[in-house]
Order: sequence, then C-alpha cells, then structure tokens
Amino acid sequence: GIQVEQSPPDLILQEGANSTLRCNFSDSVNNLQWFHQNPWGQLINLFYIPSGTKQNGRLSATTVATERYSLLYISSSQTTDSGVYFCAVGFGLTFGEGTQLTVNP
Amino acid sequence: DTGVSQDPRHKITKRGQNVTFRCDPISEHNRLYWYRQTLGQGPEFLTYFQNEAQLEKSRLLSDRFSAERPKGSFSTLEIQRTEQGDSAMYLCASSPKAGVKETQYFGPGTRLLVL
Repeated sequence: GIQVEQSPPDLILQEGANSTLRCNFSDSVNNLQWFHQNPWGQLINLFYIPSGTKQNGRLSATTVATERYSLLYISSSQTTDSGVYFCAVGFGLTFGEGTQLTVNP
Repeated sequence: DTGVSQDPRHKITKRGQNVTFRCDPISEHNRLYWYRQTLGQGPEFLTYFQNEAQLEKSRLLSDRFSAERPKGSFSTLEIQRTEQGDSAMYLCASSPKAGVKETQYFGPGTRLLVL
C-alpha cells in the first residue's frame, strides 16, 4: 500500500516563530488532507489539497503531486497551534505518523 | 448543521465482553468511514460505507469486528470478545457523495479501554 512519511517527528517553537512541516507519499494520489489533532483527540480539518496551494489565515499548504510531497506552513505560531499534525492520503485515508508540535509562550 | 457525533465518548470493559459504538455522520453525507488510532500512531483505516453498502474492509478488521449502516444514516461498530489489544481510539468520519470534494470530517472518537 501507499506509504506516507512526515517530518520532522517533533518540533518545538517559541511563540511567533514560523515552521514548515513536510509530507512525502510513495504513489500518486487523488486526495490529500492535512489535519490538526488537538489534545482531546479531535481531528480538525486544515486543508484538502491534492495539488496546488491554499491559504487559510496563518496556515498555508502546497502539494506538488508530480513530486509526491506536500508542505504545511505555519506562520506566527501561537500556543494554541500545539498538537499533532497529520498528513493523510488516498480514499480510505492512509495517515503518516504525524508531527508533534509544541509552541512555548 | 452539526458535525460527526460518536457515542459513547469513553468505554471501559473487561476482556471477553462485547462492545458497540455508534456514529452519526453529517447529514446528507453518504460516505462513512471507521478508523482506529492507538497511542502515538496515526489513525488506521478499518472500513467504509457508501449509503448502506459496506464497500471496503481493511485486513485490520478481524472476524471479531462487525460494522453496519442499516439505513444509510448512522453506523455501529461492534467488537466481540474484546481483547486488551483492542484498546484504542475508534474514529468515525463522513464525506459527501462521490464526485464532490472528498474531504473527510471526523468525529470526536470513542476511547476504548479493555481491562
């Protein structure tokens, strides 16, 4: 099956810093989503982005489908951005192992 | 329009007991998915319904697991003869009909602990 790799596995930032999270996938996909999992376990949709670039406030994402990777950018990070960020691809979604983000005040 | 809801939110059971979880998708979403997430891992796909038809099952879904969606609305996931290895978060998601953007929306999950 398709493999999804996320990097870095852990990221610690000071409030106000910017960050880039990466997702590599092993095969072409028609569906790619980014999620934020909060401390209570709720998966929150960030982007549906099988290709191209999208922006939503301080977050933006870019997927280069031909090169099989996606990037999630977080600018001016806030403590509320802490949690695990997952990339997931495919139909029955295949998730990466996530990036654990900690934003310190 | 409310989001995906799941019930119960937490369940503690003894090994060997049967448990059943319920998922109510977003109204008018005809696709419904079940996932399982263990600590420190990403969710893993279990099964998916389009309306009332169960169209795909993962190899993770052993014979002790059964899922139904009898009227194409809510779904239930039953685990028979629970084992300690079944302890996990069980997540449900729904998405709109085929041909529409395939964004999956997740419920809050049911945390299962098997003692």
